[in-house]
Amino acid sequence: KNEVEQSPQNLTAQEGEFITINCSYSVGISALHWLQQHPGGGIVSLFMLSSGKKKHGRLIATINIQEKHSSLHITASHPRDSAVYICAVPHYGGSQGNLIFGKGTKLSVKP
Amino acid sequence: NAGVTQTPKFQVLKTGQSMTLQCAQDMNHNSMYWYRQDPGMGLRLIYYSASEGTTDKGEVPNGYNVSRLNKREFSLRLESAAPSQTSVYFCASSATATSGYEQYFGPGTRLTVT
Repeated sequence: KNEVEQSPQNLTAQEGEFITINCSYSVGISALHWLQQHPGGGIVSLFMLSSGKKKHGRLIATINIQEKHSSLHITASHPRDSAVYICAVPHYGGSQGNLIFGKGTKLSVKP
Repeated sequence: NAGVTQTPKFQVLKTGQSMTLQCAQDMNHNSMYWYRQDPGMGLRLIYYSASEGTTDKGEVPNGYNVSRLNKREFSLRLESAAPSQTSVYFCASSATATSGYEQYFGPGTRLTVT
């Protein structure tokens, strides 16, 4: 079974700072997911990646399959980025859709 | 498109009562999932349905049953609610049951069992 570790658990930043959230897993996978949970509770998918890097606006996600590690970066952070960021990988590795989720990183961006 | 819808949004039950959480998606997805989210823990899979007509247990299935009514609808039933089932429940769907496809989440149901 895969195990997922996210760090840090909590992160407070000033507006404009560069943010990095890390995710490590234990069993090889074909795709990793980053999700965002808004303060109101809603969950949206941000990225799904299997190699390299993906960029969407100010968000950048990278993955190193050999190292079993992924990072989510936020450039020029803004208070509206305040949310919980969650990574998820296949529970038993490979490419299956049963995901196991990290406990999340709670980000608070102060103006 | 409404995406993934869940009803109800909030529910309070007494221990031993039963209820069914409803989930529907309008994206023509094959796969649907039920998760629970508890404070300090990640989302945990209760049951999933890889395709219409199939259901399988996830990580925490005890105390729950599911029905994949048709391609659109996937319900979660608590036969005899217990305080340990107090949680926020999310339904999700994806095109197929592989990790290469995004999962789309419903807004959640906040359930309290007293």
